[in-house]
Amino acid sequence: KQEVTQIPAALSVPEGENLVLNCSFTDSAIYNLQWFRQDPGKGLTSLLLIQSSQREQTSGRLNASLDKSSGRSTLYIAASQPGDSATYLCAVDNYGQNFVFGPGTRLSVLP
Amino acid sequence: GAVVSQHPSWVICKSGTSVKIECRSLDFQATTMFWYRQFPKQSLMLMATSNEGSKATYEQGVEKDKFLINHASLTLSTLTVTSAHPEDSSFYICSALNGRETQYFGPGTRLLVL
Repeated sequence: KQEVTQIPAALSVPEGENLVLNCSFTDSAIYNLQWFRQDPGKGLTSLLLIQSSQREQTSGRLNASLDKSSGRSTLYIAASQPGDSATYLCAVDNYGQNFVFGPGTRLSVLP
Repeated sequence: GAVVSQHPSWVICKSGTSVKIECRSLDFQATTMFWYRQFPKQSLMLMATSNEGSKATYEQGVEKDKFLINHASLTLSTLTVTSAHPEDSSFYICSALNGRETQYFGPGTRLLVL
């Protein structure tokens, strides 16, 4: 059974810092891995999608890497801003079975 | 933890028929539920936000007359794909908001329109 964990559970940083969020999964047989942002009371916003054959994806100040063999993904946020404050979720697509989400990392960027 | 179910998990239908997908929060009341879809090799995308007792809010580009959403109770939201066509074949997933922030996801429904 696939299990997804995220570290840290919560993170508070001053504005401008670079930061790394971690995601681990137990079964490396995944179709893809996605990072999402969740704002309170709102639906998820997809940030980055990494196919199983890829090693990283970049979008603006965000960079996500995938090491399938070790069951790890990281989300790197450069030059953090207060508007980046949200909960960040990673999720793995288990080859047509279902999505498995991590518990999330709650990020606070202080002005 | 909180559980959200979806029914059916798989559905295959002929082009032109309508398909209804149910999303239930089993052990909590959800005033807000979300519907997402994912096409192969693409990101999971929000389709609409469903609020109990009121009309759903659709994201840009999602046809509200094609994807009918009903959230008649605090534990049930339904998505009906009307006059389905092969391009509607996708993975549909719902989530339910427990309180203000915690969102629990259903297992998803795979739709194949022939």
